[in-house]
Amino acid sequence: DVKVTQSSRYLVKRTGEKVFLECVQDMDHENMFWYRQDPGLGLRLIYFSYDVKMKEKGDIPEGYSVSREKKERFSLILESASTNQTSMYLCASSKLGGATNEKLFFGSGTQLSVL
Amino acid sequence: AQKITQTQPGMFVQEKEAVTLDCTYDTSDPSYGLFWYKQPSSGEMIFLIYQGSYDQQNATEGRYSLNFQKARKSANLVISASQLGDSAMYFCAMREAMYSGGGADGLTFGKGTHLIIQP
Repeated sequence: DVKVTQSSRYLVKRTGEKVFLECVQDMDHENMFWYRQDPGLGLRLIYFSYDVKMKEKGDIPEGYSVSREKKERFSLILESASTNQTSMYLCASSKLGGATNEKLFFGSGTQLSVL
Repeated sequence: AQKITQTQPGMFVQEKEAVTLDCTYDTSDPSYGLFWYKQPSSGEMIFLIYQGSYDQQNATEGRYSLNFQKARKSANLVISASQLGDSAMYFCAMREAMYSGGGADGLTFGKGTHLIIQP
């Protein structure tokens, strides 16, 4: 059963902490994405990567960084967590582009609370 | 301007009734794809249905169909004979072809509609 796995379902951190959110996919997908989901705002793209060590900013990259050292793993890093980063974080993957019908496969999400 | 607009923040529907969830989109790209995802309370995003901009017929997947009106830039999701298990958030999303391939294959999402099916 193919899947995208996020390491934590719930995470509670303190302001100023460095936070790592991990995501692993087993579908050999080139593309990986991090979205943030907030009530009333839908999903917003933070960063994406289309190859190992490659990364591109999405719509809301401020306060975040990413790491892709291996094809199957994409990490989201909050260098110094702040309360306005309390949110649901969703990781997704897909095959590399061309076709408009290429759907995204999502993980179950990580609900991060920053206190 | 928003690329994907879902005007219904929430909907209550009686079980077994049909449901229409609205979605309008904005693009100048002639080649694009439209997606609907379901997100139950568990959090995982479940792909439901896809419509390509050049598809002549409306997409259907079981109880789900997509009412695609290209001139109006509308891609409404229709759920026939709703069930209690259909209660969830529903998101409309779009991929534009001019951004695909090697750089920006992500989807742009709407804000979602929270559907609640009542017994």
